[in-house]
Amino acid sequence: EAEVAQSPRYKITEKSQAVAFWCDPISGHATLYWYRQILGQGPELLVQFQDESVVDDSQLPKDRFSAERLKGVDSTLKIQPAELGDSAMYLCASSWDSGTGTTTDTQYFGPGTRLTVL
Amino acid sequence: AQRVTQPEKLLSVFKGAPVELKCNYSYSGSPELFWYVQYSRQRLQLLLRHISRESIKGFTADLNKGETSFHLKKPFAQEEDSAMYYCALSRTSGSRLTFGEGTQLTVNP
Repeated sequence: EAEVAQSPRYKITEKSQAVAFWCDPISGHATLYWYRQILGQGPELLVQFQDESVVDDSQLPKDRFSAERLKGVDSTLKIQPAELGDSAMYLCASSWDSGTGTTTDTQYFGPGTRLTVL
Repeated sequence: AQRVTQPEKLLSVFKGAPVELKCNYSYSGSPELFWYVQYSRQRLQLLLRHISRESIKGFTADLNKGETSFHLKKPFAQEEDSAMYYCALSRTSGSRLTFGEGTQLTVNP
């Protein structure tokens, strides 16, 4: 069964360093989401892509976070510089676009990348 | 703005007992509601959605628009139901999910 892949699974970095996370969605899924989950809370969306275009980045801290999906397939989320408050689980999800302007609402999640900033 | 509230962070029941996980939401339109579940050491996965009106693993959830609630219920809990449960809302199909803080369900033998 196809699954969303993410790497690395764990990342430890020091404050002010740059970090990057990678996500490979399920093949054929046009919509890709990055969520951040702080310990004890539910996931919160950072950015949503439809193919290679950003459709929602309203909650992305753009001064330090960036995301790209250049070919409309896999995606990279970057933080530069990392801060202590960025310690969290970063989840990637994807969903299928029917091609009729309607995206099915089932989001499939990856295993996440746990980031610890020291 | 949309918001999802799960009032219980922890819920513990005995095997065979009924279980209800509460979810309340605030949104001015007609949202789509979901329950996601995360079993130990597994990824977050969809359990059920209100538009399907289906029962998954014995769980059901009814959308009450008057009370803006979407409580998850199961008449007889099983030990394998122990997991973290998240209620989530989206404004339209495919748009971002807004999650509650989650309820950790423990079913004791």
